[in-house]
Amino acid sequence: SYVLTQPPAVSVAPGQTATIPCGGNDIGSKSVYWYQQKPGQAPVLVVYDDSARPSGIPERFSGSNSGNTATLTITRVEAGDEADYHCQVWDASRDHPEFGGGTKLTVL
Amino acid sequence: EVQLVESGGGLVKPGGSLRLSCAASGFSFSDAWMTWVRQATGKGLEWVGHIKSRNDGGTTDYAAPVKGRFTISGDDSKNTLFLQMNSLKTEDTAVYYCATVRHSYGRYFDYWGQGMLVTVSS
Repeated sequence: SYVLTQPPAVSVAPGQTATIPCGGNDIGSKSVYWYQQKPGQAPVLVVYDDSARPSGIPERFSGSNSGNTATLTITRVEAGDEADYHCQVWDASRDHPEFGGGTKLTVL
Repeated sequence: EVQLVESGGGLVKPGGSLRLSCAASGFSFSDAWMTWVRQATGKGLEWVGHIKSRNDGGTTDYAAPVKGRFTISGDDSKNTLFLQMNSLKTEDTAVYYCATVRHSYGRYFDYWGQGMLVTVSS
């Protein structure tokens, strides 16, 4: 199966930039999706197709994808951005998704 | 507005059965792929399975841990998705989410239900 690797935790001070990596073999050849999940809530899509933002998602959220790492970047981090962030790809060979283990973003 | 409202969770003994429902509105249910994703406490998201739209054959696919025990179905007349869970194990304890599957360069999940807790315990 296709494995996605995320660090368990990332910390950042308010107003700074958070970068959350998602590693996978040649992930740059796949489309990557990112979800934000706050405690007790369902996941919310924040980035699709590597770098596109759904309607209603602030411009502070952006994504990139190249080589073996995809990255979610959150600029001007706010306390309300504190959440778990999950990356996901679609494994075309098995026609089903794979998720990373999730990264807990803490705003100091 | 897209809405997905789940029901049917609860406590069940190992070896027992449970059926989750997901009532959909705000989109063409019969044209959509739908999926179930679960999350054990403190863990990441785990895909359970999906059902394709009728136009794409209406077939289902499942993750290895649930294959042969779980069945996904849909009732287009009631805009409702189901997850029938049989031979439940303690490791099936999780919050279960239904979600819509969108296809762009890849497939992803754009709308999610609120989640339903399933606890398998004696």
